[in-house]
Amino acid sequence: GENVEQHPSTLSVQEGDSAVIKCTYSDSASNYFPWYKQELGKRPQLIIDIRSNVGEKKDQRIAVTLNKTAKHFSLHITETQPEDSAVYFCAAPQGGSTLGRLYFGRGTQLTVWP
Amino acid sequence: NAGVTQTPKFRILKIGQSMTLQCAQDMNHNYMYWYRQDPGMGLKLIYYSVGAGITDKGEVPNGYNVSRSTTEDFPLRLELAAPSQTSVYFCASSYTRQGARETQYFGPGTRLLVL
Repeated sequence: GENVEQHPSTLSVQEGDSAVIKCTYSDSASNYFPWYKQELGKRPQLIIDIRSNVGEKKDQRIAVTLNKTAKHFSLHITETQPEDSAVYFCAAPQGGSTLGRLYFGRGTQLTVWP
Repeated sequence: NAGVTQTPKFRILKIGQSMTLQCAQDMNHNYMYWYRQDPGMGLKLIYYSVGAGITDKGEVPNGYNVSRSTTEDFPLRLELAAPSQTSVYFCASSYTRQGARETQYFGPGTRLLVL
């Protein structure tokens, strides 16, 4: 199956600074890369995703970049706010299959200090 | 529209007991999934279903069983609970079309403690 590595495991930033989380994947046929945010005691929720036919996608303060050659994708959060504090998970599917199986990274605990 | 719902929210089991975790969705999604989340380990897929009557194993299926008799419901069965099954269990669903992946929506989770 797919192997998804996520770094760093913890990240602390000052409010207003940027945060970057990086994930690598092993299957070159993977074509969909979502990012989920999980607040303490809550369910994971999708915040942004990118498909393999684009290199970057933005949604307000959040962006995701994809480098298919290097098999890595990154989450960028600009102008961080305390409410951005949460665990962030990346995921990648098993190859190019249409089946919905996703493999998740181990998560990054982001803490934004006021 | 309630989305994905799970019951119970929390349960304590003794070793060897059995239980069923319930999951339902009202979004007419075809795909449903069960994940477990252990501290610092992300989400691991237990079982998934691509439609009523069709289920398949994920990464960590041992000790669990599932069934999908309707589009809406996807219960997860633990037959002989073991301490290693202490975890938070999330059900999720998506509407996945041929050649296109769609967002997975998660339920609120069930926290299970096996003693």
